Amino acid sequence: DSGVTQTPKHLITATGQRVTLRCSPRSGDLSVYWYQQSLDQGLQFLIQYYNGEERAKGNILERFSAQQFPDLHSELNLSSLELGDSALYFCASSVGSGPHNEQFFGPGTRLTVL
Amino acid sequence: GENVEQHPSTLSVQEGDSAVIKCTYSDSASNYFPWYKQELGKRPQLIIDIRSNVGEKKDQRIAVTLNKTAKHFSLHITETQPEDSAVYFCAAPVNTGFQKLVFGTGTRLLVSP
Repeated sequence: DSGVTQTPKHLITATGQRVTLRCSPRSGDLSVYWYQQSLDQGLQFLIQYYNGEERAKGNILERFSAQQFPDLHSELNLSSLELGDSALYFCASSVGSGPHNEQFFGPGTRLTVL
Repeated sequence: GENVEQHPSTLSVQEGDSAVIKCTYSDSASNYFPWYKQELGKRPQLIIDIRSNVGEKKDQRIAVTLNKTAKHFSLHITETQPEDSAVYFCAAPVNTGFQKLVFGTGTRLLVSP
């Protein structure tokens, strides 16, 4: 158990819908990262927040948005869902903001878009 | 570019053999190179990392080597065991106005008993 929690574990929805994925980082960690992992694909970095502010951006679609709240939990919002958005979404957290900090991954949320 | 290239994409070995996975990076300023292991259906977990001030680091059966001149680093697993079967990801920092960690495409290692 990494100490990073994600909810829900599974999510099944229809095309065009909007969903929210939630992540709570390890106690003491200020950075939260979001990754997308499609079937047999690598880890695609989406976005990073550090202490409430956006820190780094990856290949995040305009239909996706995220935020980090004062209590440091983070939410990833996916809207106008398409079949291709079906994937495993991981959240990770680290103490610091730089890429040299070990990232601790949550168990992931499996999103299925029908 | 931003890519971290990783080879091979799949690797099958017999139990007891050694396995080597290689990655190349593009940003010469990169100074931290972690390796993550993802078992089937589980989360990625850091297994070893190396910083640019050393050329090799070992932890029991796993080791990582770094060649900064050639901009590549490798994961070595000796005396492989079936429980080493997993997908392994390398990663390296990339600076595109801000620093972010970019992961390789992964290597699926299968260790047969």
